[in-house]
Amino acid sequence: GNSVTQMEGPVTLSEEAFLTINCTYTATGYPSLFWYVQYPGEGLQLLLKATKADDKGSNKGFEATYRKETTSFHLEKGSVQVSDSAVYFCALSDRGQGAQKLVFGQGTRLTINP
Amino acid sequence: NAGVMQNPRHLVRRRGQEARLRCSPMKGHSHVYWYRQLPEEGLKFMVYLQKENIIDESGMPKERFSAEFPKEGPSILRIQQVVRGDSAAYFCASSPSSTYEQYFGPGTRLTVT
Repeated sequence: GNSVTQMEGPVTLSEEAFLTINCTYTATGYPSLFWYVQYPGEGLQLLLKATKADDKGSNKGFEATYRKETTSFHLEKGSVQVSDSAVYFCALSDRGQGAQKLVFGQGTRLTINP
Repeated sequence: NAGVMQNPRHLVRRRGQEARLRCSPMKGHSHVYWYRQLPEEGLKFMVYLQKENIIDESGMPKERFSAEFPKEGPSILRIQQVVRGDSAAYFCASSPSSTYEQYFGPGTRLTVT
């Protein structure tokens, strides 16, 4: 079945450092890919998405490119802030039985120190 | 436009009791999804519903769990005779009919003692 594998955490960086969180996927067909962010005690918020190969999703300084050849969707940000501390989830859409259910990676906890 | 609402936010139940979790989708959204997040894990799909219909329940445990989304009122996820292994965060998401984007609620954190 479809699956998502994320870089293991936790990840700790200093403010203004460069961030990469790796995400690879296994899927039949051409799923859409997503990054969600979960702040402490809250639900998930969609951070960015890409719906086809070579698409680049971007939001709030974060970006990720849908790479079909390497089945990857790595999340990057050039200069992180303390407020970026959260858990980040990579996900793909799995349209089984007509449902747009999401398949999630295990999450990567990010902590940014001032 | 209010977001997806879930209540209660925290729920404590003793083993053997019933847990009832509610989800009100965003206005205009007729598709509801339930996910479960075990400690330190990603979210796992449980069930997908449209008004009065269960479309995909492939992620639901075969026993003790049920879900509904009536014509009027919120979607309900019901867990009968809870066990300690049911302790988790349960998230509801909703979407309009024709896009992939799902909007998540804040979750209900169930603790079984």
